[in-house]
Amino acid sequence: DQQVKQNSPSLSVQEGRISILNCDYTNSMFDYFLWYKKYPAEGPTFLISISSIKDKNEDGRFTVFLNKSAKHLSLHIVPSQPGDSAVYFCAASGVTSGTYKYIFGTGTRLKVLA
Amino acid sequence: DSGVTQTPKHLITATGQRVTLRCSPRSGDLSVYWYQQSLDQGLQFLIQYYNGEERAKGNILERFSAQQFPDLHSELNLSSLELGDSALYFCASSVTQRVEEQFFGPGTRLTVL
Repeated sequence: DQQVKQNSPSLSVQEGRISILNCDYTNSMFDYFLWYKKYPAEGPTFLISISSIKDKNEDGRFTVFLNKSAKHLSLHIVPSQPGDSAVYFCAASGVTSGTYKYIFGTGTRLKVLA
Repeated sequence: DSGVTQTPKHLITATGQRVTLRCSPRSGDLSVYWYQQSLDQGLQFLIQYYNGEERAKGNILERFSAQQFPDLHSELNLSSLELGDSALYFCASSVTQRVEEQFFGPGTRLTVL
């Protein structure tokens, strides 16, 4: 049961353009969402997060949008840079049926072309 | 360098065996988290400790156990190993219990033959 899905395993974008990474979730009890970036041979790095009470959070070139009715979140990177090439994971957390859940998507590999 | 250290870097063992993975958090961090990244299942949260006590549990199998010691380092014990346990195991630490503040270690690659 994949509660957090990243349906695009990979994405290629030209340098300077916008990268849009998508994530869907199925459990409406998730109330906190995060994006992580991972380079090869390194652990993930926290990028940006959003609480379910907001629909947008911005940090420099990175913006996360949350559409609760569609159970969808997206990460926008503008402008994209070659150093952004990495695997991006979304994650969702919350308490469901009295149990804390913290679930990751399978990742999207972003390649920014110079 | 995140300041989180994990040993060993690589581990190769056989099915049915037991291994222990070790994590030293960043200085001052009280929370330790364990994750498994396998090829087919992506990144999975296993368990979290805060100041020696278990705080949250994810998809951790009964064959797996963890603990956090008084010096705050943590160990993840994997027993009765199966081929499917082959994965990268990450440890992360944070000062608080907020997951967005965690720093990840470089991981231990476990290969079960």
